[in-house]
Amino acid sequence: DAKTTQPNSMESNEEEPVHLPCNHSTISGTDYIHWYRQLPSQGPEYVIHGLTSNVNNRMASLAIAEDRKSSTLILHRATLRDAAVYYCILRDGNSGTYKYIFGTGTRLKVLA
Amino acid sequence: DAGVIQSPRHEVTEMGQEVTLRCKPISGHNSLFWYRQTMMRGLELLIYFNNNVPIDDSGMPEDRFSAKMPNASFSTLKIQPSEPRDSAVYFCASSLSRGLRNEQFFGPGTRLTVL
Repeated sequence: DAKTTQPNSMESNEEEPVHLPCNHSTISGTDYIHWYRQLPSQGPEYVIHGLTSNVNNRMASLAIAEDRKSSTLILHRATLRDAAVYYCILRDGNSGTYKYIFGTGTRLKVLA
Repeated sequence: DAGVIQSPRHEVTEMGQEVTLRCKPISGHNSLFWYRQTMMRGLELLIYFNNNVPIDDSGMPEDRFSAKMPNASFSTLKIQPSEPRDSAVYFCASSLSRGLRNEQFFGPGTRLTVL
């Protein structure tokens, strides 16, 4: 499985945008990029996913580098409720497997 | 929908005892996943089922761990005998895995403490 690298922690001020980076230099052409987050004392929850093009949904945006070796999760206006651990995960869309390998993620702290 | 339901939410047991964790996936989902989370090892996939069939159990630590999915609406993870190092939060997740869709929905977890 291709590996992802994320910073251990980041801080942001409330109401400001947050850019969470993820490096995946060994990504293959069929790997999808998924982002999940885990709020305190809860199970992870889906945020967004993409393959090549940038993606937007009500929670966040996903910007994927042209060479696909990195991606950035963008929270447009961080709130205190966005404080969580954010995981960047690769899944091979051709493998027929639906399993994820979670890394250590980025712990986001939002300052009031 | 009630989401993924796990029981019990907390379990405290003594070393050597049998522990059974239960999971009810979201109705209509065809894949079910069991994860374990600890501070040291993070979130690890133990086993996953597709259409009630175990597909990948490579993450199951050892023979003390077993998982079953007798039907589409119920799964169990059993530890026998339990050991203190099994203390962790165990999550169950389900998804509608079809083609490119596979968003996983996680339950609230079961916090297991083995004394």
